[in-house]
Amino acid sequence: AQTVTQSQPEMSVQEAETVTLSCTYDTSESNYYLFWYKQPPSRQMILVIRQEAYKQQNATENRFSVNFQKAAKSFSLKISDSQLGDTAMYFCAFMKRLVPGAQKLVFGQGTRLTINP
Amino acid sequence: EPEVTQTPSHQVTQMGQEVILRCVPISNHLYFYWYRQILGQKVEFLVSFYNNEISEKSEIFDDQFSVERPDGSNFTLKIRSTKLEDSAMYFCASSMAGGSADTQYFGPGTRLTVL
Repeated sequence: AQTVTQSQPEMSVQEAETVTLSCTYDTSESNYYLFWYKQPPSRQMILVIRQEAYKQQNATENRFSVNFQKAAKSFSLKISDSQLGDTAMYFCAFMKRLVPGAQKLVFGQGTRLTINP
Repeated sequence: EPEVTQTPSHQVTQMGQEVILRCVPISNHLYFYWYRQILGQKVEFLVSFYNNEISEKSEIFDDQFSVERPDGSNFTLKIRSTKLEDSAMYFCASSMAGGSADTQYFGPGTRLTVL
């Protein structure tokens, strides 16, 4: 079974700083997807960024980028120029596509990120 | 931008009562999911649904749970006889068919409180 581990329960940085959230996962599959979701105090789950395992290039979305190390099974999220609105719980998730429709996300425990003014 | 919607946002019920949580997935999506998150814990997969049938379910999804797509837009989760431990945030998600469109988009969640 796939597992996802986020080793940092909480992090705190000053506004405008750069912060990196770590995530490792365990799988024997070669074809899969990885995601970072953000959960602000409203508790809605918001997609931040995704990475396909077959792509060597790291995904970027504006201030958000990942460092995907497939051999090490590591998938960290870097937030540049952090903003107060980035304060949230961040979940790393692994998704394996089986037969059509049989997809599920396996989430890590989450990292609570606080951006201080 | 299209989004997944869920109603109600908060449901309070008595133990043993039946509840139905409703979701409207993104209109051109074909795959539907329910997840739950007990307060302070990680998000857990419950069930995936495609082509009007369950394609995968977790061990949490026992006989007390059922899902249905009663019409072309709604996707529901029914808990037949609620227990205290069913208190959680329930998220609906949807995705398109395969390929690069495997991203699951989540609704805002329904907070279920069982008293």
